[in-house]
Amino acid sequence: AQSVTQLDSQVPVFEEAPVELRCNYSSSVSVYLFWYVQYPNQGLQLLLKYLSGSTLVKGINGFEAEFNKSQTSFHLRKPSVHISDTAEYFCAVIRHQGAQKLVFGQGTRLTINP
Amino acid sequence: DTGVSQDPRHKITKRGQNVTFRCDPISEHNRLYWYRQTLGQGPEFLTYFQNEAQLEKSRLLSDRFSAERPKGSFSTLEIQRTEQGDSAMYLCASSPFIDREYEQYFGPGTRLTVT
Repeated sequence: AQSVTQLDSQVPVFEEAPVELRCNYSSSVSVYLFWYVQYPNQGLQLLLKYLSGSTLVKGINGFEAEFNKSQTSFHLRKPSVHISDTAEYFCAVIRHQGAQKLVFGQGTRLTINP
Repeated sequence: DTGVSQDPRHKITKRGQNVTFRCDPISEHNRLYWYRQTLGQGPEFLTYFQNEAQLEKSRLLSDRFSAERPKGSFSTLEIQRTEQGDSAMYLCASSPFIDREYEQYFGPGTRLTVT
């Protein structure tokens, strides 16, 4: 079975400051990793994904994430945030073989203060 | 490509009533998934279809829940005898069967409130 832990339930930052949202996972099999963003009263939008290859992956809206296999982490970063980045962010995994269900973390609410 | 659509977006019902939600996946996506998201939590898997076949159901899907995808296109999720604990956002997602089947695209969700 897989599990995902997002270490911060809420992260407040000032506009134009850098941010890191932390994600750790546990799995006995190889997994793909994802970050999704959810704006208020909306569904989930894929930010970025790690499948293989370079451990640093870039996504939409200036976000990037780094896969660390030894630490089983997949932290999300952005060098300079904007008010429009205010949203809930979810880390998720899916196993390589028989890819079926996504397993999500509890979410991190990112609040940008002017 | 119009994306995944869900109907209705909001539903308020009284305890004990039955409700049905609809999901229209991205055209030509073979796989369709249902998730439930309660307040302050990440989405939890309920069930998924490959074409019209329902291949996996979560333990979260009690006997009061039933999902169908009769022609391998749209899907419905019905909840019978609703309880207050059923209040949640119900999310639908779809993915291709071959090549990027792990990449799920989500709809806007149906928010259910049981009073």
